[in-house]
Amino acid sequence: ILNVEQSPQSLHVQEGDSTNFTCSFPSSNFYALHWYRWETAKSPEALFVMTLNGDEKKKGRISATLNTKEGYSYLYIKGSQPEDSATYLCASDGGSQGNLIFGKGTKLSVKP
Amino acid sequence: DAGVIQSPRHEVTEMGQEVTLRCKPISGHDYLFWYRQTMMRGLELLIYFNNNVPIDDSGMPEDRFSAKMPNASFSTLKIQPSEPRDSAVYFCASSRQGSNSPLHFGNGTRLTVT
Repeated sequence: ILNVEQSPQSLHVQEGDSTNFTCSFPSSNFYALHWYRWETAKSPEALFVMTLNGDEKKKGRISATLNTKEGYSYLYIKGSQPEDSATYLCASDGGSQGNLIFGKGTKLSVKP
Repeated sequence: DAGVIQSPRHEVTEMGQEVTLRCKPISGHDYLFWYRQTMMRGLELLIYFNNNVPIDDSGMPEDRFSAKMPNASFSTLKIQPSEPRDSAVYFCASSRQGSNSPLHFGNGTRLTVT
């Protein structure tokens, strides 16, 4: 059974702080790693899809890196803002191109 | 682009009743996913389809759950008979190329079984 782990479970930071969190996944049979942002009362929205070892992607103040050999990905948020408050989910597929399994997420709260 | 459309948004039913959840994926997306979200287990993959064909249903909890995709623009998830432990938010998502492209989620159906 594919196990995707995220840490920490929750995080509280002050506005302006930079932060990062981790997604761990089995390094064997890897195909793709996804990051999603999930605001309360909404649906998850895609941030990044990464497939290559060493991949780095960036969208505004948010960036992500991927290490497929050791099975982890980091999500970074630079200069956190209150509107960044959300749950950040990662998902991996175990090489199946469809069997996307999600971690339980990191809940970020940014205080003004 | 209307996005992934799910109906109903909320469903309240009594134990033992049949429940049918509906999903219209984004046109042109070849993959469709059904997920269940609970506090305890997070987002669980129930089943996914590729070109209307079920590929992996190993996440379907038990025989009470069934899913169909009769054509490229419609899918159903049926629970019969429903039980209180089925109470959860059920999400449908679609993608153009499976895990090679991002998932687009519907707004979810919040199911309450009393």
